[in-house]
Amino acid sequence: EVQLVESGGGLVQPGRSLKLSCAASGFTFSNYYMAWVRQAPTKGLEWVASITNSGGSTYYRDSVKGRFTISRDNAKSTLYLQMDSLRSEDTATYYCTTDDQVRGFAYWGQGTLVTVSS
Amino acid sequence: DTVLTQSPALAVSPGERVTISCRASESVSTLMHWYQQKPGQQPKLLIYKASNLASGVPARFSGSGSGTDFTFTIDPVEADDIATYYCHQSWNSPTFGGGTKLELK
Repeated sequence: EVQLVESGGGLVQPGRSLKLSCAASGFTFSNYYMAWVRQAPTKGLEWVASITNSGGSTYYRDSVKGRFTISRDNAKSTLYLQMDSLRSEDTATYYCTTDDQVRGFAYWGQGTLVTVSS
Repeated sequence: DTVLTQSPALAVSPGERVTISCRASESVSTLMHWYQQKPGQQPKLLIYKASNLASGVPARFSGSGSGTDFTFTIDPVEADDIATYYCHQSWNSPTFGGGTKLELK
């Protein structure tokens, strides 16, 4: 059974940093592109960043470029999102997902809530 | 970015057929996918590449379309289908529609 378990969310002040993790199991992690998708309270879904299966290429939405870094450790089957210079508009539940251009975001974690507030 | 436009809400009764539309601001070929999200839960993939049923998804759900116009259908609707449905394109930098909230009449 595919499992994606996010952790690392919490309350953080504007301008500070936070690192999210996503532990994967039940599939060959190193074969899959991965992504982070977020959802602000009562709002819709928003893609944040993606990474290729090797980690050699990364992609970001414009609003997080230069502030967020997606990475992975295939030996640990873990995906990361380093978030720096956080803003109030980054407040959201962050989901870890598998990412395939043809098959979409097939598997999702349960999400971790990040609240940016003073 | 490719903008995806969905109608915000639809009211349905169990047993009816419901169709949700998603219009893209530019062609996305058939790289359109559909998700169901219930309150407090993560999204669930239902349809990928416009018309392909994801694993374990009942055949009451279907999708069609190509280019800029896509539809998602539930026939017949069950009470458990009350949720918000999102379209998502993967032709270029991923974007989602604003979601269509299915409500009971």
